[in-house]
Amino acid sequence: DVKVTQSSRYLVKRTGEKVFLECVQDMDHENMFWYRQDPGLGLRLIYFSYDVKMKEKGDIPEGYSVSREKKERFSLILESASTNQTSMYLCASSFSDRVNSPLHFGNGTRLTVT
Amino acid sequence: KNQVEQSPQSLIILEGKNCTLQCNYTVSPFSNLRWYKQDTGRGPVSLTIMTFSENTKSNGRYTATLDADTKQSSLHITASQLSDSASYICVAKGDSNYQLIWGAGTKLIIKP
Repeated sequence: DVKVTQSSRYLVKRTGEKVFLECVQDMDHENMFWYRQDPGLGLRLIYFSYDVKMKEKGDIPEGYSVSREKKERFSLILESASTNQTSMYLCASSFSDRVNSPLHFGNGTRLTVT
Repeated sequence: KNQVEQSPQSLIILEGKNCTLQCNYTVSPFSNLRWYKQDTGRGPVSLTIMTFSENTKSNGRYTATLDADTKQSSLHITASQLSDSASYICVAKGDSNYQLIWGAGTKLIIKP
């Protein structure tokens, strides 16, 4: 089974702190994604990566950056956390060359910024 | 504007009963629609995918339908079990691998 592991289930940070969210997948997937999930809204794409050192902005990249130095690892960085970044963050991965390949998600990191 | 709308927002049914969840999409061009199940505290897990040419597909007690003319999909759950309690999310895919339009989900609660 594909395993996508997010390093923290819960995080509490202060406004202005730099925050790192880590994600590792073990299926040699080319694609990796970071989403945020808020009540009453569909998942919103922050950034995605289709190859090592490659990154593309999603729908809501402001206030975030990413790093993909190795194929299995995709990190989300909040340069200066703000209260409106309190949310559930979901990492996902998928194959790039298989038509209709599903996303495989981690169990999420619930981030609270105070 | 590309969007996906799900109804109802939440639903409570008794164990053993059937239910149907709805998903309406306005995504163009349209490639496929997928249903995910998200248990509390977990990430979403794919249940089934409906491509443009498919009308009905079953996965155990789950049956998905797709009407590409009316741009509607449904997920029918038969003989519900307590483990079916979860959020069910539909997502429509456009013409690129990265264009996914997500619904807000239906929260389903099964009561004993």
